[in-house]
Amino acid sequence: GQQLNQSPQSMFIQEGEDVSMNCTSSSIFNTWLWYKQDPGEGPVLLIALYKAGELTSNGRLTAQFGITRKDSFLNISASIPSDVGIYFCAGQGNAGNMLTFGGGTRLMVKP
Amino acid sequence: GAVVSQHPSRVICKSGTSVKIECRSLDFQATTMFWYRQFPKQSLMLMATSNEGSKATYEQGVEKDKFLINHASLTLSTLTVTSAHPEDSSFYICSALRQASGSPLHFGNGTRLTVT
Repeated sequence: GQQLNQSPQSMFIQEGEDVSMNCTSSSIFNTWLWYKQDPGEGPVLLIALYKAGELTSNGRLTAQFGITRKDSFLNISASIPSDVGIYFCAGQGNAGNMLTFGGGTRLMVKP
Repeated sequence: GAVVSQHPSRVICKSGTSVKIECRSLDFQATTMFWYRQFPKQSLMLMATSNEGSKATYEQGVEKDKFLINHASLTLSTLTVTSAHPEDSSFYICSALRQASGSPLHFGNGTRLTVT
């Protein structure tokens, strides 16, 4: 199926640094979601965005729903070792529809 | 706490046997559940959409006779991998859609299937 373009594919950063990742699509989505997946587990929802232009925070995480509805970014401030994992963006066309996932960003944090 | 429970978390089976994976919504009714497959270091790929009381909708390239889906109640969907082969080894993840909500989707913890 279709995938969103998510970048970067991987990041290796120093603890305390800020992180930014984004997703772009050729299609419009009505909902953007950001998930984190730890090894051997299912994705856990971090932030859900429902309106174009919406900027939402969850602790050290901030995500925005692009004005064009074709992109979204996720920022993590002051990274810590437990931020390690794979982050996925996901777009949803209409409520109740399946999600289209980005390829994931693998984040590694050096203490 | 977890709102979607998936069982088993790990299963090893011999080639040619069938394996059933359960996905339960714990504190809400889910008219729709989705089944994904994830290969190592790859993203989640949708296999099928499971609707309570009706036939599942399969994505292109997914064999419906091999991956049997049964969504018999508003809280339970099952995926049965029939006549499993080593190439079916993967991480299978379900998600459930809260009825009358639309989003977001909550995911189970996944099932690691290894076919020997």
